[in-house]
Amino acid sequence: GAVVSQHPSWVICKSGTSVKIECRSLDFQATTMFWYRQFPKQSLMLMATSNEGSKATYEQGVEKDKFLINHASLTLSTLTVTSAHPEDSSFYICSAQGGNQPQHFGDGTRLSIL
Amino acid sequence: GENVEQHPSTLSVQEGDSAVIKCTYSDSASNYFPWYKQELGKGPQLIIDIRSNVGEKKDQRIAVTLNKTAKHFSLHITETQPEDSAVYFCAASRRDYNQGGKLIFGQGTELSVKP
Repeated sequence: GAVVSQHPSWVICKSGTSVKIECRSLDFQATTMFWYRQFPKQSLMLMATSNEGSKATYEQGVEKDKFLINHASLTLSTLTVTSAHPEDSSFYICSAQGGNQPQHFGDGTRLSIL
Repeated sequence: GENVEQHPSTLSVQEGDSAVIKCTYSDSASNYFPWYKQELGKGPQLIIDIRSNVGEKKDQRIAVTLNKTAKHFSLHITETQPEDSAVYFCAASRRDYNQGGKLIFGQGTELSVKP
C-alpha cells in the first residue's frame, strides 16, 4: 500500500530557531501534498496545499512567511517553521496524494518549542 | 463555508457490539467521503471511502452509507474489538475525475471498546 514517511517524528528546540520537517512518498508519486496542524483532542487543520513544482496555497490565517513549504519533487515536500516560538508547538502532519488516489498520511511530527 | 459535522464526539461500546458514527456535510458539490482512524501519536489511516455515485460500501466489519439528498454519511463497525479503540474522522471532498481535492474533516469521534 501507499506509504508516506515523515521525519523527524519528534523535535524539541529553543525559541527563535527554525525547524524543517520532511514528508516523503515512498512508493508513489505525489502530485499534491498537504500540511496539517493538530492540537490535542482536536481535528486536523489544513495549513497549506502544495503541488510539485509550484508555490504552495495557504489557508486563510496561515502565515506563509512563518511556515515555508517546498515541494521540489514528486516524492518530497518540506515544511520549515521559521523563528519558532512556544505557540508554534503542535503536532504537524503531512499527507500525499497521487492523481485520483486517496490522501495517505505520515505519522506526524511532534514539535515542542522551549 | 464548507463544513462537516461529526457525532458523537465520544462513543463507548462493549466488545462485540456495533458502533455507528454520523457525519453531515454542507457542500453539495462534495463527491468523495473517506473515513480515517487515528491512533494515539500517529497519523490518520484510511479505513474506507465512498464516492457519491454509491450508496453503501462494505469491507469486512466496516461499512459506510451515504445519503446524498440529506447530505449525511455514516460509518458502521460491527463486532467491535478492543483494537478498534481510536479516534475516527470523517471527511468530505470535491474531487475531479483525475485529480484529488482538499479534505474537510469532521471534529472526530473517540471510540472506546471495552473488553
